[in-house]
Amino acid sequence: DQQVKQNSPSLSVQEGRISILNCDYTNSMFDYFLWYKKYPAEGPTFLISISSIKDKNEDGRFTVFLNKSAKHLSLHIVPSQPGDSAVYFCAASGGSNYKLTFGKGTLLTVNP
Amino acid sequence: DGGITQSPKYLFRKEGQNVTLSCEQNLNHDAMYWYRQDPGQGLRLIYYSQIVNDFQKGDIAEGYSVSREKKESFPLTVTSAQKNPTAFYLCASSIGPIMGGDQPQHFGDGTRLSIL
Repeated sequence: DQQVKQNSPSLSVQEGRISILNCDYTNSMFDYFLWYKKYPAEGPTFLISISSIKDKNEDGRFTVFLNKSAKHLSLHIVPSQPGDSAVYFCAASGGSNYKLTFGKGTLLTVNP
Repeated sequence: DGGITQSPKYLFRKEGQNVTLSCEQNLNHDAMYWYRQDPGQGLRLIYYSQIVNDFQKGDIAEGYSVSREKKESFPLTVTSAQKNPTAFYLCASSIGPIMGGDQPQHFGDGTRLSIL
């Protein structure tokens, strides 16, 4: 049973435009959400996180939005750059739980 | 320059052999983790350790073993009991075991294990 779902395996965007990556979750105990970026043959790199007490967190070109009622979060990248091309993983944890539950990832391709 | 070092980057194992993957961190983090990634899949937790001399099973611990004798080291042994060991293995660490605030898990660059 997938508790964190990234329903789009891939996304293609033009350079300079906005990239929107989506993530849905089913476990209402999740209260901390993270986005990681991963290049082939490398480990994931932490991008941005959000606590359930917030609905938005911004860091430079990256903004994460959280809609708790819909159990949905999204990552916005503006403007998109070719170097952003990578697999993006959504992850979540809940309460005192150490464990991160990951989605399957979305491959973002930013075309010059 | 602090970080997590995994070695080797590529590893080959014959059927029936145990093999140990190394993970070292110099971030002074208490918690360490091992994940497995298969093609088209998310990361799945194998084992984690919140503190030295303590570790717990994750979701897919069968066929794996770990030790945590030093804060900076968390080696993973893939035993012959693991029936499908070919995968990309990732080690991670965090300041503490509880997620929240600005305490994300940070990852090494992984070890790709293949069966000969």
